[in-house]
Order: sequence, then C-alpha cells, then structure tokens
Amino acid sequence: AAGVIQSPRHLIKEKRETATLKCYPIPRHDTVYWYQQGPGQDPQFLISFYEKMQSDKGSIPDRFSAQQFSDYHSELNMSSLELGDSALYFCASSPLDTGNTIYFGEGSWLTVV
Amino acid sequence: GDSVTQMEGPVTLSEEAFLTINCTYTATGYPSLFWYVQYPGEGLQLLLKATKADDKGSNKGFEATYRKETTSFHLEKGSVQVSDSAVYFCALTSNQAGTALIFGKGTTLSVSS
Repeated sequence: AAGVIQSPRHLIKEKRETATLKCYPIPRHDTVYWYQQGPGQDPQFLISFYEKMQSDKGSIPDRFSAQQFSDYHSELNMSSLELGDSALYFCASSPLDTGNTIYFGEGSWLTVV
Repeated sequence: GDSVTQMEGPVTLSEEAFLTINCTYTATGYPSLFWYVQYPGEGLQLLLKATKADDKGSNKGFEATYRKETTSFHLEKGSVQVSDSAVYFCALTSNQAGTALIFGKGTTLSVSS
C-alpha cells in the first residue's frame, strides 16, 4: 500500500540558511500534518492543512511556513535556520472517513551546523 | 486543553514477560485514541486504535481498550519479544477534520533475551 512520502530523507544546512521539506500524502488523503521531533522528545505538532487550507496551527516558529498544493502535496519552508531546528520532521496524512487515523511518513532528518 | 499522560520509562523486561504501559487522557468530547510505535532510527507506525468507548484495538499481540470511565487506554501484551524494543506513544485526536494528534511523552521499552 502507498505510504506518505517525504523528501529529502536527510538534509544538512548551515545556520541562517533555508531548507524546504516536501511531503506527498497517501492518495485520496485530504489532510496533511507536519510534526517536529527533537532527540528523545515526543513529536510536536507544527501545522496542518485540510483541502489546501490551513486547518490547525501548533508550535510552528514564525521563521517556518507551509502550504498544501492543488495536488495535495505539501512543503515546509524553514528560514534563518538555527542549531535548535535540528530534528526529525514528520509529515502525516489522513482521510476523513477512518476515525481521523493519521499515518506518518518516515521523516526527514534536518541537521543544522 | 486536551492532553495525554503516559507512564515514564524506560521499561525493561525479559523476553516473554507481560507488558503494561499506562496511558490516561484528558479531552472534551469523544476523542479517538491511538498507540504509535517508533523503532530506533525509524518513523512513527500506527500500532492500534480505538474510536469509541469500550472499543478494543489490537495488533501484533498488543491490545488496548478505550475506557471512558477511567479515561484510560493502557497498552498490554502477554509475551514480549526482543523485537518489541521501541518507544511507544499514546495519542489522541478529536474527530474533526484537520485536528492534530496530541502525543504523550513516550515510553521506552527494552526487552532482553
């Protein structure tokens, strides 16, 4: 079965640089979520989109932005990167009709040096 | 707001021992409840779920029952294996479209042979 696809899987950036992560949800899933997981931490919700509109917002820094495109894929843009942004970034997707079950991608490892 | 509380780890067990990881929640309305598992260096995998009171989720020998009266969703397995060593996250979400998962802090399980 198709899963949530994230790219790139690993990314190394320098401080103050910009990074973009991409997410391709499971086909026919209309909601996309972004989470950030620091080392040894639980995943922290950043932002979500339903039918290409922002639906919920969590602890996303102002330096970060995201959008969902007409083909339902989503991109997370991170600017002015800081060392503390080093984390595993998960994208997840869900359809409306399965009790809001959310399926996660493998994650994108961002290292800021 | 909604929240999830898990027992702190790490939990260290011998192979074939009985496992319980406690999870309680606070939520308005009728949330859906989930257990996710994260193996070392990997993403989050849905382990099991329950969408209404008294539902029992089960998968790979793991079980959890949605108890509304005690607001609990404890994870159990009768006989653990070394391959079950991972971090387990209890989570909840409302059933509104685009609503994010709220995670507990995670419980690390280590099983030795």
